[in-house]
Amino acid sequence: QQQVKQSPQSLIVQKGGISIINCAYENTAFDYFPWYQQFPGKGPALLIAIRPDVSEKKEGRFTISFNKSAKQFSLHIMDSQPGDSATYFCAAPADYMIKAAGNKLTFGGGTRVLVKP
Amino acid sequence: TAGITQAPTSQILAAGRSMTLRCTQDMRHNAMYWYRQDLGLGLRLIHYSNTAGTTGKGEVPDGYSVSRANTDDFPLTLASAVPSQTSVYFCASSESAGDQETQYFGPGTRLLVL
Repeated sequence: QQQVKQSPQSLIVQKGGISIINCAYENTAFDYFPWYQQFPGKGPALLIAIRPDVSEKKEGRFTISFNKSAKQFSLHIMDSQPGDSATYFCAAPADYMIKAAGNKLTFGGGTRVLVKP
Repeated sequence: TAGITQAPTSQILAAGRSMTLRCTQDMRHNAMYWYRQDLGLGLRLIHYSNTAGTTGKGEVPDGYSVSRANTDDFPLTLASAVPSQTSVYFCASSESAGDQETQYFGPGTRLLVL
C-alpha cells in the first residue's frame, strides 16, 4: 500500500521567507503529484500539481520540484505571506488501486505552516 | 454554485448508535469520495464511487458503508459508531475518475463518538 511521508509536520516562517515542504513516496500507479491547501475550518483545495513530463512547475510564488529517481517531490513557497498560513498536503496516486480505477490519491500527513508578519 | 455541501456540520454521537453523513454536489461530477482526516495522518480514503450506481472500498473502509443512487448524492453511513471513528469527514468529487482529475472538497463534518 502506498505511503506518502511528508515533512516537516509544522513550520514557522517569517513574512518574506521561503517555506519548504518535502514528500517521499514508495510506488505510484502513475506520475501525478498534487498539493492541496487547507485553511482552518475548510476543506482542502488544489493548490498546484505536477505531471511526469516536467521536473519543476511554478505558479506564482509556489513551485513544485520532482525527483523521480529519488521518489521525492517538494513544495516551495517563495516570499511567504501571512495569508499562506494553512495546512498543506502532498498526494500521490494510490498504488493499491489498479490504474483503471483512476483518480485515487494517498495523502501525506500534512504540514501546518504559520507565516509570522 | 454551492459546489459540495455536507451535513451536519458537526455531531456528537453515542457509541453504538448509527449515523448517516450527507454529501450533495451540484457540479454533475461523476466521481465522489469520502475521506477522514486525523491529525498527523492526513486524509485517508474510506470509500469512493466512480459513477452513479457503483462504489468501491478505499484505504480504511471498515465500519462504514456508502451508496450512490444518483449523481448528486453520496451518503456515508456508520452502522454502529465506535470512538475510533471520531474524526473530521470530508466528501469530495471530481469530474471523472480519470487520472489527474482535480478533487473538490466539501467543508467537512466533525464527528465525536463518545
